Amino acid sequence: ETGVTQTPRHLVMGMTNKKSLKCEQHLGHNAMYWYKQSAKKPLELMFVYSLEERVENNSVPSRFSPECPNSSHLFLHLHTLQPEDSALYLCASSQRAEGHQPQHFGDGTRLSIL
Amino acid sequence: ILNVEQSPQSLHVQEGDSTNFTCSFPSSNFYALHWYRWETAKSPEALFVMTLNGDEKKKGRISATLNTKEGYSYLYIKGSQPEDSATYLCAFLSQTGANNLFFGTGTRLTVIP
Repeated sequence: ETGVTQTPRHLVMGMTNKKSLKCEQHLGHNAMYWYKQSAKKPLELMFVYSLEERVENNSVPSRFSPECPNSSHLFLHLHTLQPEDSALYLCASSQRAEGHQPQHFGDGTRLSIL
Repeated sequence: ILNVEQSPQSLHVQEGDSTNFTCSFPSSNFYALHWYRWETAKSPEALFVMTLNGDEKKKGRISATLNTKEGYSYLYIKGSQPEDSATYLCAFLSQTGANNLFFGTGTRLTVIP
C-alpha cells in the first residue's frame, strides 16, 4: 500500500482538452514533487513544492500548471498539450525539500495525447 | 542538466547469483546520491540515500557503496531472488541544486528462477 496516491492511473486526452492530475500523500511530508518520464528517458523533475510554496520549476512549458493547496495535495493542470507530452507522470513526497531525504513515489498517471 | 549514467542497461542473472551494477555521476559539488528500486506496475521505492564519501549502506541482501571523489556508486545484490527483478535507479544531487534529483536511466535486472 502506497502512502502517495495518484489519480487517474490512465488518461487519454485530445490536444485541446483541459484535465488535471491529482496527487495525495498520507505521510505527513512537507515537500511534494512532479516528475515526467518519457519513453527511454530518465525521470525528469518538473516542479517542487515545499510547505505549499513552489521552490523549483525546471523550465516546464506553461501548458503544465501545478497547484499545491496544502501540504497533502498536489495537482498538475493540463491544457493544450502536445503529442510529445505523452508520458508517465509521477508524484513524490519527502519529509523536507532537502536532498538527504528519500522520496516516496506514487504509481503514476500514464498520459496519452491524441 | 547533469550526466548520470548507469551500467549495464540490463542484466539477466540466475537465482542465487550475486550481482552488482554501477552509477556514475559528476565528481564535483556532490550533495547526495539516491538509489531506488522500481518494479513493473509499481512505484519507485527508496533503497538508500548516501551522503558521505566512503559510505556503505545495507538493506537485507542489497548493499551500496559510494565514492564521491571519482564519481561512482555500486549497488550489490547477494544471492539474487526472482523478487529482486526490477529496474534500479540512481539519482544525483549537486550542492548547487539540492532540490533537483538527476536520475539515470536505470539498470533493469531480471532474475531467472
